[in-house]
Amino acid sequence: GQQVMQIPQYQHVQEGEDFTTYCNSSTTLSNIQWYKQRPGGHPVFLIQLVKSGEVKKQKRLTFQFGEAKKNSSLHITATQTTDVGTYFCAHNTNAGKSTFGDGTTLTVKP
Amino acid sequence: DAGITQSPRHKVTETGTPVTLRCHQTENHRYMYWYRQDPGHGLRLIHYSYGVKDTDKGEVSDGYSVSRSKTEDFLLTLESATSSQTSVYFCAITDEGDTQYFGPGTRLTVL
Repeated sequence: GQQVMQIPQYQHVQEGEDFTTYCNSSTTLSNIQWYKQRPGGHPVFLIQLVKSGEVKKQKRLTFQFGEAKKNSSLHITATQTTDVGTYFCAHNTNAGKSTFGDGTTLTVKP
Repeated sequence: DAGITQSPRHKVTETGTPVTLRCHQTENHRYMYWYRQDPGHGLRLIHYSYGVKDTDKGEVSDGYSVSRSKTEDFLLTLESATSSQTSVYFCAITDEGDTQYFGPGTRLTVL
């Protein structure tokens, strides 16, 4: 099935710095989803992108879907300690199955 | 949060024993999934269900079986647990097969 590769695996930032995680695929994706998992918690859905070049914002979070629909990014502006956790991208297939990236774990130093 | 629960939340068992994990939903969603999460591997799909008695394998199904006799319950069984099955298990549900809502997880340790 279609795989999504996510980088970096870990990112350590100082509070107030920006953060970006990238999701890449060798094939065209029909959609891309982003989830956040707090330490000790369960993944929580953030957003879904479906259109080529789509950009969506949620407060300090900006999500992009590439023009070729083979990559996506999540950018956090001015990180806060509440942003810590692991961010996953995922691709949902027509069969209702999702393939998840391995995640980027963000730590924020106050 | 979606009405989804998992039981037990924690379990320690010995190699060779059978283990059943339960996922229960109150949302009447069609799709249900079992994932395992291990460090460095993200979320890997074990089995999923697209309706009562309709199930299919995921990418890491060896050593696991599932059953769904009612819309609200999806059971994951380890017939003979091995140490490699020590993991955190998440159940997820979705209505039309897109956005997934995850349960709180079950931490399983096989000694």
